[in-house]
Amino acid sequence: GAGVSQTPSNKVTEKGKYVELRCDPISGHTALYWYRQSLGQGPEFLIYFQGTGAADDSGLPNDRFFAVRPEGSVSTLKIQRTERGDSAVYLCASSSGQLGFNEQFFGPGTRLTVL
Amino acid sequence: GDSVTQMEGPVTLSEEAFLTINCTYTATGYPSLFWYVQYPGEGLQLLLKATKADDKGSNKGFEATYRKETTSFHLEKGSVQVSDSAVYFCAFIRDGGSQGNLIFGKGTKLSVKP
Repeated sequence: GAGVSQTPSNKVTEKGKYVELRCDPISGHTALYWYRQSLGQGPEFLIYFQGTGAADDSGLPNDRFFAVRPEGSVSTLKIQRTERGDSAVYLCASSSGQLGFNEQFFGPGTRLTVL
Repeated sequence: GDSVTQMEGPVTLSEEAFLTINCTYTATGYPSLFWYVQYPGEGLQLLLKATKADDKGSNKGFEATYRKETTSFHLEKGSVQVSDSAVYFCAFIRDGGSQGNLIFGKGTKLSVKP
């Protein structure tokens, strides 16, 4: 079946602009995760949804970052007043959300470049 | 704070060589430990895991043993293939931490030459 998809694959924007990044999880997966991967670094956790609610948003770096998942499926990561330091690959993952360990399945990422 | 330290790459090996990628972690309690792999042009994939001390995770010929006493989870493979060329990430979830909060190392790039 289809894996996790993310759009766009690449996004170039100017400093100060607003951007939205979309994630389509695997069908039926109730848990969804966002990570950010800067050049030469490992992925860094941002936020985790269980259904429609954010179960853990401790990784969001500041209030310019916000994520929603209104119907418990697709999620949008929103970044306001982008800064050059926001340039990174933004990864989305989903899992079945059942009790115990759930393997996270990752999408290909959105490469964000802030000029 | 909680963190993962893994050996820096790139690592270049000849086909059929033995592979070790070192990984140590800093965390309290008994975190769950993982190795993820990213093949060129693909998304991150779970390679193997271990959830308690002395557990050995294994998959596709790769192995790693959870060593609580040395806080390590080194990745090994006895005979690498060209198709193993990828970036390997060591990661953990804190003991009692939320499911989603994987903490990753910086990754180690492996290149295997024929």
